[in-house]
Amino acid sequence: KQEVTQIPAALSVPEGENLVLNCSFTDSAIYNLQWFRQDPGKGLTSLLLIQSSQREQTSGRLNASLDKSSGRSTLYIAASQPGDSATYLCAVHSGTYKYIFGTGTRLKVLA
Amino acid sequence: DVKVTQSSRYLVKRTGEKVFLECVQDMDHENMFWYRQDPGLGLRLIYFSYDVKMKEKGDIPEGYSVSREKKERFSLILESASTNQTSMYLCASSPRVRGPGTGELFFGEGSRLTVL
Repeated sequence: KQEVTQIPAALSVPEGENLVLNCSFTDSAIYNLQWFRQDPGKGLTSLLLIQSSQREQTSGRLNASLDKSSGRSTLYIAASQPGDSATYLCAVHSGTYKYIFGTGTRLKVLA
Repeated sequence: DVKVTQSSRYLVKRTGEKVFLECVQDMDHENMFWYRQDPGLGLRLIYFSYDVKMKEKGDIPEGYSVSREKKERFSLILESASTNQTSMYLCASSPRVRGPGTGELFFGEGSRLTVL
């Protein structure tokens, strides 16, 4: 059974810092891995989709990597800003209709 | 841009009432999903649909039903709302999965339901 873990649960950093969020999964047989952002009381916004055959994907200040063999993905945020404060969730697409979500990392970027 | 629209952002209902949550997507996606999100429990799948009139139970279907009469619309129904159904409800859609790189999920803004 696929399990997805995100550590740490919460993170507080000063503005301008580069940071890494972690996502671990137990079964390497995946289609894709997707990173989302969620603001308080809102839905999830898709940030990056990494295909199972890819090693990384970039969008602006965000870079996500995938290492299937070790069951890990990282989301790298460069030059963090207060507007990056949100909860970040990863989701593993591990079956045609099966998406397994981590419980998220709550990020606070201090001005 | 893909848009998933949930009809109500906030609802307050009484125990025993019938509740309808509506979701519409505009990208001709085959798959639609209903999740609920609770603190400490994360996102849990209630029901999903892979085609018109087709539905499958997710992990926590008890107390819920769904309807998909048109491709773009997926409704979640609480036949008799209870206080333990107070939650954030999230609708999502994705195109048909054809292998790696497909099946990207897109979410609506969420519906916060409070049952008194």
